[in-house]
Amino acid sequence: AQKVTQAQTEISVVEKEDVTLDCVYETRDTTYYLFWYKQPPSGELVFLIRRNSFDEQNEISGRYSWNFQKSTSSFNFTITASQVVDSAVYFCALSNDYKLSFGAGTTVTVRA
Amino acid sequence: EAQVTQNPRYLITVTGKKLTVTCSQNMNHEYMSWYRQDPGLGLRQIYYSMNVEVTDKGDVPEGYKVSRKEKRNFPLILESPSPNQTSLYFCASSLLGQGVYSNQPQHFGDGTRLSIL
Repeated sequence: AQKVTQAQTEISVVEKEDVTLDCVYETRDTTYYLFWYKQPPSGELVFLIRRNSFDEQNEISGRYSWNFQKSTSSFNFTITASQVVDSAVYFCALSNDYKLSFGAGTTVTVRA
Repeated sequence: EAQVTQNPRYLITVTGKKLTVTCSQNMNHEYMSWYRQDPGLGLRQIYYSMNVEVTDKGDVPEGYKVSRKEKRNFPLILESPSPNQTSLYFCASSLLGQGVYSNQPQHFGDGTRLSIL
């Protein structure tokens, strides 16, 4: 069985602060895929990033960056210089054989 | 415009009255899936389909049925809804891909909020 844990339920920051969202996963498979999705207050789910288990390179996209560490089974997500528009629920997810398991989500609130 | 369309968006109904939530995608995706979202639990996969006439159970299939008679449609059927199926439901689709390109990111519909009294 596979499992994703997002231990942080809620994070509140002031604009321009950095915020890091933790994601720890469990799987017995050697090939798997990790994702981050964003759910803004409007409710839709927006894809942010996909990583496969053979690609441990960290990635930066604008103010977003991801740190994938197989040794600790973690795929953490950092928002640099947060903005009010970053307020959302963020989900980490793990997939193999097309079964997708989501974490419980972390609600990020960015205050002006 | 590429999209996944769910209907209805909102539904209040009563226990035991069969209902169907439709899902249609216009991207020619092979893979489609249904999820329910509950507070504190994130999204949980109900059923998924990798192609026409091919469906598989996710983590929480009890009380639900699906069918995949056409590539674009993947309806979710609640034969005898119960209050514990009150939830926010999402349909999603993606390309299948192969090898390291498999398990592609999914495109989600806008969600269907079901209330079963």
